[in-house]
Amino acid sequence: DAGVIQSPRHEVTEMGQEVTLRCKPISGHDYLFWYRQTMMRGLELLIYFNNNVPIDDSGMPEDRFSAKMPNASFSTLKIQPSEPRDSAVYFCASSSNRGRGYNEQFFGPGTRLTVL
Amino acid sequence: AQSVTQPDIHITVSEGASLELRCNYSYGATPYLFWYVQSPGQGLQLLLKYFSGDTLVQGIKGFEAEFKRSQSSFNLRKPSVHWSDAAEYFCAVGPYNQGGKLIFGQGTELSVKP
Repeated sequence: DAGVIQSPRHEVTEMGQEVTLRCKPISGHDYLFWYRQTMMRGLELLIYFNNNVPIDDSGMPEDRFSAKMPNASFSTLKIQPSEPRDSAVYFCASSSNRGRGYNEQFFGPGTRLTVL
Repeated sequence: AQSVTQPDIHITVSEGASLELRCNYSYGATPYLFWYVQSPGQGLQLLLKYFSGDTLVQGIKGFEAEFKRSQSSFNLRKPSVHWSDAAEYFCAVGPYNQGGKLIFGQGTELSVKP
């Protein structure tokens, strides 16, 4: 398996622009998580899905952030409009609720977002 | 409240010296415990995990961790540190026997002196 795939790996945009981050979880995993990592706040859970349904979005900072999971193999995190304080590394992770390895999360390589 | 505390933000050890990274947790149910490592510019990689059985668990890269229920701790150890171990280390706790979110500590950054 290729692991969790994220795209793009790097994104530079200007304030006010829409940004869309993409994630493909590991095949067969039924949980998907979006995290944000900054020096100031560390690793923060933004939202997670189970079987494509959002379960907990309490970590989403504000209405400018939205996440979708239209099917089991794809998720997006959108920021509209983007602001400089959104600059961070965004990680996607997936896990499975089956077998002895359940709830171990596998992380993607991250998307480094810079908003100018 | 559920939480994970890593008391040391930054640790520096000499290459070849032993290492112990501390992790304390507060969790209402039976915990499922993890240590992850993040090398610069990379995602998080699982080092080891514990959910039952022997309280001393072995992981990759020569790391081990000991679960102490009475102390609510899950400290990570390595007998001899290599320069390539320089990274950030995260402890996490989650619900046993189900999926769902993990609670991560703030991380400990490890520097290795030659």
